[in-house]
This record gives sequence, C-alpha cells and structure tokens, in this order.
Amino acid sequence: GNSVTQMEGPVTLSEEAFLTINCTYTATGYPSLFWYVQYPGEGLQLLLKATKADDKGSNKGFEATYRKETTSFHLEKGSVQVSDSAVYFCALGSGNTGKLIFGQGTTLQVKP
Amino acid sequence: DVKVTQSSRYLVKRTGEKVFLECVQDMDHENMFWYRQDPGLGLRLIYFSYDVKMKEKGDIPEGYSVSREKKERFSLILESASTNQTSMYLCASSSHGQGIRETQYFGPGTRLLVL
Repeated sequence: GNSVTQMEGPVTLSEEAFLTINCTYTATGYPSLFWYVQYPGEGLQLLLKATKADDKGSNKGFEATYRKETTSFHLEKGSVQVSDSAVYFCALGSGNTGKLIFGQGTTLQVKP
Repeated sequence: DVKVTQSSRYLVKRTGEKVFLECVQDMDHENMFWYRQDPGLGLRLIYFSYDVKMKEKGDIPEGYSVSREKKERFSLILESASTNQTSMYLCASSSHGQGIRETQYFGPGTRLLVL
C-alpha cells in the first residue's frame, strides 16, 4: 500500500543554517505530494505542494522537488529562522477521494 | 479567509463516558476528515465523509463513529471513552474540485484526556 517515510527528529539547528528534511514515499500511480507545517498549539497548514514529477513547490523560502526516480520529496530551506520551529509533515495524496497519507512528522527546533 | 473550527481545545473525560467532538467549516467543502495525532505516529485517519450523510472508515475507526447531517458540520463520537483514546484530534476539510491535488484545511485540534 501507499506510505510516507520521514527522517527521524528532532532536528536542532542554529539560526541561518541550511535545512533538509528527507521524505520518501511508496505509491502506485501518480500521487500528489505535500508538506504541511504545525506551529506550536495550532493545527496543520499547507506549506507547499507538487502535483507531478519534476514539479517544485515553494513557499516562505522552503522548497521541495517531486522526484519520481528516487520517490522523494525532500524539504529544504537555505537559512532557517527561530520562527521556523515547528513540526513538519510530508503527505501523499492518491486515488480520487482527497485522502492524504502522512509521515510521522519531524520536529524542527531553531536556536538563536 | 478559510476557517475550520473545533468545539473545544481541551477536554477531560472519564472512562466510559460518551464524547462528542464537533467540527465546522465555512468553505462549502464536500470532504471532511477526522484524524488523531500521536507522537511518533503522525496523523492517522479515523473517518472521512465526502458528502452529507456519507461516511467511510479510515485506518483506525474502532471505538469511534461519526455523523454528518449538514454539509458544514462533521462530528466524531467516542461511544465509550477509554484511556487509549487520549490524544490530539484534528478535523480537516477539502473540496472535491481537483481530487488528489486538493489542499486539506485543518482546525486547531482538540486535546482529549481520558481518565
């Protein structure tokens, strides 16, 4: 069946460091891929998405490229800020129901 | 601005009680979802609904039921709460429009403690 695997956290970085959070997936067909972010005490919100191979999603300085050959959708940011501290979820959408399959989440802590 | 609201942010209940969690969206979305979030397990789908009075089981429906009598409202019911249902519960909604490309919009969550 379909699944999403994220790198284990927590990830602790200093401000202005480069961020990579790995995400790989298993799916049949042509899924859409998403990154959601959950700030402390809040629900999830969409960070970015890509709907076909080689698409790049981007938002707020974050980027991720849909790589079908490596079944990956790694999240990157060139220079993190303290305000980026949150839990990041990779997710996969397939079929026609609008359902998503989520990874286990990666906690990012950015220190000043 | 899109909005999904949940009836409570925090809830404390006793084992065996019947618990109702309510979710309301103002975006006229067809799809609504209930997830539970537990550390290390990510989000797991409990139930979803793609139309009024329609529902489908997700990955972990045992011990839960749902109700969708109006398009904007989706209720999660714990028939007899147990301590292993202590968790964060998240509601989400999305449009049918683009199928698998559609964004889900989440509420703020309800943290439930069952004693």
